[in-house]
Amino acid sequence: NAGVTQTPKFQVLKTGQSMTLQCAQDMNHEYMSWYRQDPGMGLRLIHYSVGAGITDQGEVPNGYNVSRSTTEDFPLRLLSAAPSQTSVYFCASSYRQGSEAFFGQGTRLTVV
Amino acid sequence: RKEVEQDPGPFNVPEGATVAFNCTYSNSASQSFFWYRQDCRKEPKLLMSVYSSGNEDGRFTAQLNRASQYISLLIRDSKLSDSATYLCAVEGRGSTLGRLYFGRGTQLTVWP
Repeated sequence: NAGVTQTPKFQVLKTGQSMTLQCAQDMNHEYMSWYRQDPGMGLRLIHYSVGAGITDQGEVPNGYNVSRSTTEDFPLRLLSAAPSQTSVYFCASSYRQGSEAFFGQGTRLTVV
Repeated sequence: RKEVEQDPGPFNVPEGATVAFNCTYSNSASQSFFWYRQDCRKEPKLLMSVYSSGNEDGRFTAQLNRASQYISLLIRDSKLSDSATYLCAVEGRGSTLGRLYFGRGTQLTVWP
């Protein structure tokens, strides 16, 4: 049972580099989302998607892009990494609105 | 005003104690509520959904108070293994339907 799979688990970037965090789910969930978690700040929503081809911004979208070309995949792109983007990133999926979210194992990103 | 407010604690209790956490939410139209558990350096996992009539799962009881716009989690007979961070989550409504807003988490430590 794979559930939600995130890669990589750890990443170190230099300021200005770009990269893509991968997220895939095999539960045929319509809803997918990306959160970042920082000490004392809790989970903050970056972007989310209610279905293939549909994405929308969350609370902290600046510096990130997403796309949803398939139901299964929801990659998060960092355009030009900044130290302020050092965080733990979680991808999550839900069967439908109002249902529980299942989380991936997280990506620990450090930007130096 | 934040969508969800949660007392970060920490709560330090002895084994066998009863402990309660509260979360307040700002959108009176919210319909879906959850409690998640997060172990250190792990992803959040659903502990229980919160239903209007209140619900119980073993030592855990979740309640919803719509009039005062808060949800609560009661843990009875605390175990060492209950040590974790507990996150409340509330689904957005209206233009934010489908988004899940999280509290900052309450850290619980159960000591022998």
